[in-house]
Amino acid sequence: AQSVSQHNHHVILSEAASLELGCNYSYGGTVNLFWYVQYPGQHLQLLLKYFSGDPLVKGIKGFEAEFIKSKFSFNLRKPSVQWSDTAEYFCAVIAGRRALTFGSGTRLQVQP
Amino acid sequence: DAGVIQSPRHEVTEMGQEVTLRCKLISGHNSLFWYRQTMMRGLELLIYFNNNVPIDDSGMPEDRFSAKMPNASFSTLKIQPSEPRDSAVYFCASSPPTSGGLGGIQYFGAGTRLSVL
Repeated sequence: AQSVSQHNHHVILSEAASLELGCNYSYGGTVNLFWYVQYPGQHLQLLLKYFSGDPLVKGIKGFEAEFIKSKFSFNLRKPSVQWSDTAEYFCAVIAGRRALTFGSGTRLQVQP
Repeated sequence: DAGVIQSPRHEVTEMGQEVTLRCKLISGHNSLFWYRQTMMRGLELLIYFNNNVPIDDSGMPEDRFSAKMPNASFSTLKIQPSEPRDSAVYFCASSPPTSGGLGGIQYFGAGTRLSVL
């Protein structure tokens, strides 16, 4: 069965620091990969997605993610975080015929 | 576009009472997902529908939970009888046909915060 692992449960950064959130999945076939964001008190929103093509995907608000097939990873990055990036970030995967599966989430706290 | 609409936004009830949560899909979307979010368990998929048909209900915790899609644009999630451990935020999300029925691109509602006393 597919699974999604986010090893960082809680990350604290200062403004302007660089961000990288890890995401690994377990499935040997073709995958579609996603990052969703949930700002405090709000619902989840799509941040970026990868279906095929260029493994470096750019999303909204300066976020990007890189699909590395050999590592089964889809890490989320941002060169310089802002206080407004404080949120919970969820990696998600579609693999095979199973519906979207979310990871457990990483809570990011950006300190001004 | 009004987005996914959930009601009520907040629900406080007593243990043993029946609770019904409602969700209106975005027009033209054909997949509907119900999630439960808690601090302990994170985001859990309860059930999802494609073209009004339940596809996977393996996440429904017990027989006390049931979900229906009486038409293509509306769904309900019912808990009967409710218990304190059901307290959570319940989200529904809809997905367009271009997502192939597996819900890669989902649009979430604002959620219903349920408190069972």
